[in-house]
Amino acid sequence: NAGVTQTPKFQVLKTGQSMTLQCAQDMNHNSMYWYRQDPGMGLRLIYYSASEGTTDKGEVPNGYNVSRLNKREFSLRLESAAPSQTSVYFCASSEAGFSGNTIYFGEGSWLTVV
Amino acid sequence: AQKITQTQPGMFVQEKEAVTLDCTYDTSDPSYGLFWYKQPSSGEMIFLIYQGSYDQQNATEGRYSLNFQKARKSANLVISASQLGDSAMYFCAMREGRNSGGGADGLTFGKGTHLIIQP
Repeated sequence: NAGVTQTPKFQVLKTGQSMTLQCAQDMNHNSMYWYRQDPGMGLRLIYYSASEGTTDKGEVPNGYNVSRLNKREFSLRLESAAPSQTSVYFCASSEAGFSGNTIYFGEGSWLTVV
Repeated sequence: AQKITQTQPGMFVQEKEAVTLDCTYDTSDPSYGLFWYKQPSSGEMIFLIYQGSYDQQNATEGRYSLNFQKARKSANLVISASQLGDSAMYFCAMREGRNSGGGADGLTFGKGTHLIIQP
C-alpha cells in the first residue's frame, strides 16, 4: 500500500543551492499536487498537474518549478533555495478534478534552508 | 476573504467526551466538496471524512460525523467518544467544482485546530 511516496524525507540546504523533491503515486491518479505547510498555517498549494504533460500554478508558486514526468511522477524543484522556503512539503494525488474526489497525501518532506 | 475558517486554534477535551471542531467556508460555486484531515505529531495527513455540496445526508465514518449546514456554510466535525489517539491537528478543507470561472484545482485549507485529549 505505497500510495504517494515522496523523497527525501529530510533535507538541509544552504541558501542558493538547488534541489528536487521527487514524488510518485501508484493509484493511477490523473491529478497531482505540491503543497507547503508552514507553522500555524494550513497547507497551501504551490503547483498542480491535472494530467500528464500539464502543470498549473497554485497559490504560492514563486521560487519553484515542477515537472510532470509521466502519470506516476511529479517533481518539485527549488532552483535557488531561500530561507523563506524552509517548510514541510507535501505531494498529493487524486482522481481528475471533480470536487468530490479525495486527495491523498504523501508523508511529507522537511526542508530547512540555512 | 478566507475561504476556510477554523476559529478554534486549540482545544482541550476529556477522554470519552464528544468533540465538535468548527469550520465555516466561503464559495460561490454550487458544486464543492468539504474534507477533514487529521495530522498527528508524526506529520502525515490522514483523510477522515468527506461531504459533497449536493449530499442530503450528513456524512459519517465510524466515530466521525460531519454536521453540514449548507445555509450557514458550516461543516463541523464531530468526534464521538474521544480517545487519547485523537490528539492531533485537524484541518478542514474545500475543493471547488471550478464552475465559477476557473481557478486552481486542489484543496483550500483552514489553519487547523490543535486538539488535545486529556485522560
